[in-house]
Amino acid sequence: AQSVTQLDSQVPVFEEAPVELRCNYSSSVSVYLFWYVQYPNQGLQLLLKYLSGSTLVKGINGFEAEFNKSQTSFHLRKPSVHISDTAEYFCAGSSQGGSEKLVFGKGTKLTVNP
Amino acid sequence: EAGVTQFPSHSVIEKGQTVTLRCDPISGHDNLYWYRRVMGKEIKFLLHFVKESKQDESGMPNNRFLAERTGGTYSTLKVQPAELEDSGVYFCASSPSGRKETQYFGPGTRLLVL
Repeated sequence: AQSVTQLDSQVPVFEEAPVELRCNYSSSVSVYLFWYVQYPNQGLQLLLKYLSGSTLVKGINGFEAEFNKSQTSFHLRKPSVHISDTAEYFCAGSSQGGSEKLVFGKGTKLTVNP
Repeated sequence: EAGVTQFPSHSVIEKGQTVTLRCDPISGHDNLYWYRRVMGKEIKFLLHFVKESKQDESGMPNNRFLAERTGGTYSTLKVQPAELEDSGVYFCASSPSGRKETQYFGPGTRLLVL
């Protein structure tokens, strides 16, 4: 069965600092991987996704993630964060074929401080 | 193009009462998913519709939950009778038939059972 692990429940950073939110997955089948963001009092918004091809994926708002098959990781990075990036970030995966239901990590709350 | 909408945004009910949540997917999306986040836990899959048919309902917690999608358009999720542990945020997502791996989420319904 597939599982997704987000190693950090909370990440505080200062504005303009770089950030990395970690995500590891386990699966014996081909996977699709996603990062979603939930801003306060809003729904889930897709940041980026890896389906196949290039392992470096660029998303919205300056975020990017790298699919690393040998380390079964899909870490999210941003070189310089803004106050407005304060939100909860979810890593998710799905298996190719079938319902392609998403399996989520527990979420990482990113707090950007001035 | 309108996104996924959910109604109501919030619901507070007493234990033993019935609540019905509604989801309107993006127009033309055949795939419709329900997920739930119980406080402090990860977002978990409940079920998946393809048009009006249930493709996968492996995540439904028990028979107090009933999901329908008559006519293959909007969907309802009824909880009857509600229990305290049903409190949480219920998300709906949809995806097109040709690209079901990318799901678009609604804002969620926040359910509180007292």
